[in-house]
Amino acid sequence: GENVEQHPSTLSVQEGDSAVIKCTYSDSASNYFPWYKQELGKGPQLIIDIRSNVGEKKDQRIAVTLNKTAKHFSLHITETQPEDSAVYFCAASKGNNDMRFGAGTRLTVKP
Amino acid sequence: EAQVTQNPRYLITVTGKKLTVTCSQNMNHEYMSWYRQDPGLGLRQIYYSMNVEVTDKGDVPEGYKVSRKEKRNFPLILESPSPNQTSLYFCASSATQGPYEQYFGPGTRLTVT
Repeated sequence: GENVEQHPSTLSVQEGDSAVIKCTYSDSASNYFPWYKQELGKGPQLIIDIRSNVGEKKDQRIAVTLNKTAKHFSLHITETQPEDSAVYFCAASKGNNDMRFGAGTRLTVKP
Repeated sequence: EAQVTQNPRYLITVTGKKLTVTCSQNMNHEYMSWYRQDPGLGLRQIYYSMNVEVTDKGDVPEGYKVSRKEKRNFPLILESPSPNQTSLYFCASSATQGPYEQYFGPGTRLTVT
């Protein structure tokens, strides 16, 4: 089955700097790669996703890149703000019933 | 407001005492699932349901039961809870089995002593 590894487990940046979180996956048949943000006391919320027919996707300050050959994908947050502080999860799947999540990255943005 | 609701949000119980965590969604979603979240392990799927009366095991189903009698509700049942089921539980729903965006509930923190 699919196995997803996520790095780093914790990340601290200064406000205004960029943050990058990386994930690798094992199943070459996976074709959907979402990123979820989890704020304290809340459930995860989708912030961006990418499908295997696309190499990069951007939404304002957030971007995701996918390298199918190397089986890794990354989340890039530019011009970080304190409200970006949260736990971020990557995931990989062929369908919702086999979605595998990474262990999570705790991002802290210092004012 | 489109949402997934879970009850209770917090629960402390003792080993062996049956409990049910309810989950309801108001988005007419076909697909629903349950996850548990443990430190360093991310989210692991317990059970999922692709439609009414259709359920299947996820990665960690031992000790849990589910039912899907109505489209909007997907309760999680622990017949005989044990301390290793102490965890943070999330219900999620999606329009289809996708893969597609999943909408998560606010979570239920369960402690079994």
